[in-house]
Amino acid sequence: EPEVTQTPSHQVTQMGQEVILRCVPISNHLYFYWYRQILGQKVEFLVSFYNNEISEKSEIFDDQFSVERPDGSNFTLKIRSTKLEDSAMYFCASSTPGGTGGYEQYFGPGTRLTVT
Amino acid sequence: GIQVEQSPPDLILQEGANSTLRCNFSDSVNNLQWFHQNPWGQLINLFYIPSGTKQNGRLSATTVATERYSLLYISSSQTTDSGVYFCAVEATDKLIFGTGTRLQVFP
Repeated sequence: EPEVTQTPSHQVTQMGQEVILRCVPISNHLYFYWYRQILGQKVEFLVSFYNNEISEKSEIFDDQFSVERPDGSNFTLKIRSTKLEDSAMYFCASSTPGGTGGYEQYFGPGTRLTVT
Repeated sequence: GIQVEQSPPDLILQEGANSTLRCNFSDSVNNLQWFHQNPWGQLINLFYIPSGTKQNGRLSATTVATERYSLLYISSSQTTDSGVYFCAVEATDKLIFGTGTRLQVFP
């Protein structure tokens, strides 16, 4: 069964450093997303991406964040200068229109980012 | 924005018991999904259920869109059912998650 994959599974970085989190969405999907989950809290939306551009972003997704689809398979999230409060689990998701017109989202296993 | 509330926040069961988890949402939605977050943090898709009833083994879900709620039923619970259960509703290009129900099943 096709699945979303993410690398690395765990990333430790120092405050102020840049990190790039990588995702390979399901191959025939058209919509891509990043979410994050701070430890013990609910999952929060960061950004959605369709047709090579951002379609929606949350207030969390400020100028320190960027997304890119550098080729036909990868989808990346870059944090330019990490802060302690960026420590969280980051999930990538993808979806495509279904028969009923809905968009079931499938999530990757997550990257746990620890900023020290 | 849309508010998503889940109840109960915590649930402790003995193996074999049945349970019902509830998700209320504050506005009309296009999509509703249930997830199980396992102890390793992975989000496992359980149901995509904007309306109606679906069953998958010991789990079933019902969404009554007109009344803005969804229910997840777990029958004959097993220790492997432990974890956090999230419902999430779709609102314009994104999923909005509830705060989850933490389920612990003891042998």
